[in-house]
Amino acid sequence: GAVVSQHPSWVICKSGTSVKIECRSLDFQATTMFWYRQFPKQSLMLMATSNEGSKATYEQGVEKDKFLINHASLTLSTLTVTSAHPEDSSFYICSARLTGREAFFGQGTRLTVV
Amino acid sequence: AQSVTQPDIHITVSEGASLELRCNYSYGATPYLFWYVQSPGQGLQLLLKYFSGDTLVQGIKGFEAEFKRSQSSFNLRKPSVHWSDAAEYFCAVGAFTGGGNKLTFGTGTQLKVEL
Repeated sequence: GAVVSQHPSWVICKSGTSVKIECRSLDFQATTMFWYRQFPKQSLMLMATSNEGSKATYEQGVEKDKFLINHASLTLSTLTVTSAHPEDSSFYICSARLTGREAFFGQGTRLTVV
Repeated sequence: AQSVTQPDIHITVSEGASLELRCNYSYGATPYLFWYVQSPGQGLQLLLKYFSGDTLVQGIKGFEAEFKRSQSSFNLRKPSVHWSDAAEYFCAVGAFTGGGNKLTFGTGTQLKVEL
């Protein structure tokens, strides 16, 4: 299967700072990338969908100014958590897919805001 | 709106025993169905998928799933569970037409394997 790499795997940051998470499709060009958030022992909640070269589409209730998504190329999407607060601590997972194919997931990023 | 229900939050089976994880979906059209597995602190790995055709699909690690349209179900099965199968399992439904890219996940089933 296709490989999606997410970096970093974990990050600890101070409250008020910003954190950037990268999602790369290593061996294919992804037309669409997705960002999910997962709370402990819960399912994945879709945050936003990004298509290369266009603005991301955010799900209801997700603050677009808080969670900045950039999809500058067919192999890279970034999620920046701005002015992070402890309640933003979570497990963030990206996925990438080609049109008409299933999505492949990154290994996730554990964000802890202290 | 599409939705997925996984009725069992936790399941415990003995190693070597058979396994069935339940998944029911709600979707307005022909669904695309998936089963993913997640180990602690890890991303999701695709076990198998159903797009069309044969309703019994084979996946990796000896898993299979059967699509039953009349029951709106896509249950995951394995004849003999191994201790390494202990993980969280998610069923998902989605569409891949135009902008309808969203995957909707169930709440997951935590599988524990007793040795």
